[in-house]
Amino acid sequence: KAGVTQTPRYLIKTRGQQVTLSCSPISGHRSVSWYQQTPGQGLQFLFEYFSETQRNKGNFPGRFSGRQFSNSRSEMNVSTLELGDSALYLCASSLDNGYEQYFGPGTRLTVT
Amino acid sequence: AQSVAQPEDQVNVAEGNPLTVKCTYSVSGNPYLFWYVQYPNRGLQFLLKYITGDNLVKGSYGFEAEFNKSQTSFHLKKPSALVSDSALYFCAVRLLYNFNKFYFGSGTKLNVKP
Repeated sequence: KAGVTQTPRYLIKTRGQQVTLSCSPISGHRSVSWYQQTPGQGLQFLFEYFSETQRNKGNFPGRFSGRQFSNSRSEMNVSTLELGDSALYLCASSLDNGYEQYFGPGTRLTVT
Repeated sequence: AQSVAQPEDQVNVAEGNPLTVKCTYSVSGNPYLFWYVQYPNRGLQFLLKYITGDNLVKGSYGFEAEFNKSQTSFHLKKPSALVSDSALYFCAVRLLYNFNKFYFGSGTKLNVKP
């Protein structure tokens, strides 16, 4: 089975712009979660989608949003980018009745 | 509030020696426990999990972890470290009643020296 894929792998944006990141889960996985990883804050949970519905949400401002499509692919959007949004954004998928999550390679976002 | 603590930012060990990476947790109810490893510029890779049963669980690459309910700990161990084990290790907890909401520790950087 193919693993979790994320596109693009690297992205450079300017403050104030918006960005959309994409995640394709492992085939058959309907749950997709997003995390932000920074050296100072570690891994922080953004949100989780299941069957096109946001099921769990972390403590991030409304500039961070996401969605999931009927094929379980998910996108994450960040509007009005700030310098502090520079991070590695990780997507993870899992079976709903499974246990562990499987992570993609991440998208490295740099905001200048 | 649920939390996971990895008290050591960094662990240094010589190749061939045993290694331990510590993890303690504070959650309500019985948790599911996990260890993940992250190599530079890569996503996290699943190593092992504890769900129920034997307190010693074995995982990938010769790693194992011991669940201790009274001490609320889930330490990662390996009898003989390899230089290639050098990476960032994360402990994670998932609650039984909230599938797919994981709580991660801050990570421990393991350095294995030849």
